Amino acid sequence: KAGVTQTPRYLIKTRGQQVTLSCSPISGHRSVSWYQQTPGQGLQFLFEYFSETQRNKGNFPGRFSGRQFSNSRSEMNVSTLELGDSALYLCASSPSSWGTYNEQFFGPGTRLTVL
Amino acid sequence: SQQGEEDPQALSIQEGENATMNCSYKTSINNLQWYRQNSGRGLVHLILIRSNEREKHSGRLRVTLDTSKKSSSLLITASRAADTASYFCATDAFQLSNFGNEKLTFGTGTRLTIIP
Repeated sequence: KAGVTQTPRYLIKTRGQQVTLSCSPISGHRSVSWYQQTPGQGLQFLFEYFSETQRNKGNFPGRFSGRQFSNSRSEMNVSTLELGDSALYLCASSPSSWGTYNEQFFGPGTRLTVL
Repeated sequence: SQQGEEDPQALSIQEGENATMNCSYKTSINNLQWYRQNSGRGLVHLILIRSNEREKHSGRLRVTLDTSKKSSSLLITASRAADTASYFCATDAFQLSNFGNEKLTFGTGTRLTIIP
């Protein structure tokens, strides 16, 4: 089976712009989670989707949003980018309907740089 | 906020030696997982231990869990240069009212360097 794929792998944006990141989970996985990784804050949970529904959300401002499609692919959007949004954004999928109760399979990440 | 704190933050050992990393967390959990990350890439799942388990093995990895102390340790035996990476523990806090919909909270990580 192909692993979790994320596009694009690298992205450079300027402050005030918006960005959309895409994640394709492993075939058959219906739970998709997003994480932000920065040197200062480490790995932080953004949100988790299952069957097109957001089941859990981390402590991020409303500028961060996401969605999941019927084929389980997911997108996250960040509007009005700030310098502090520069980070590695990781997507993970799980085969379980119980989300994080089982192992997460991570994609390679999207490196976002905000100038 | 970080649920887990790894100790030490960085560890350098000679190839062939054993490496031990510790993780402490704050709240009751369903399970604890360990992940490896190479140079800012995606995370690779290493091992998962449930809250009712005390020890688990996988190849050269041995994980222990002490729920009374809210701590876990990861032992890598006979280390290899390829083990050089950052290691993270991750927990999902138990929530009776929201079971199954928890989120993974990662620790701060241990940077392991294996010296050939």
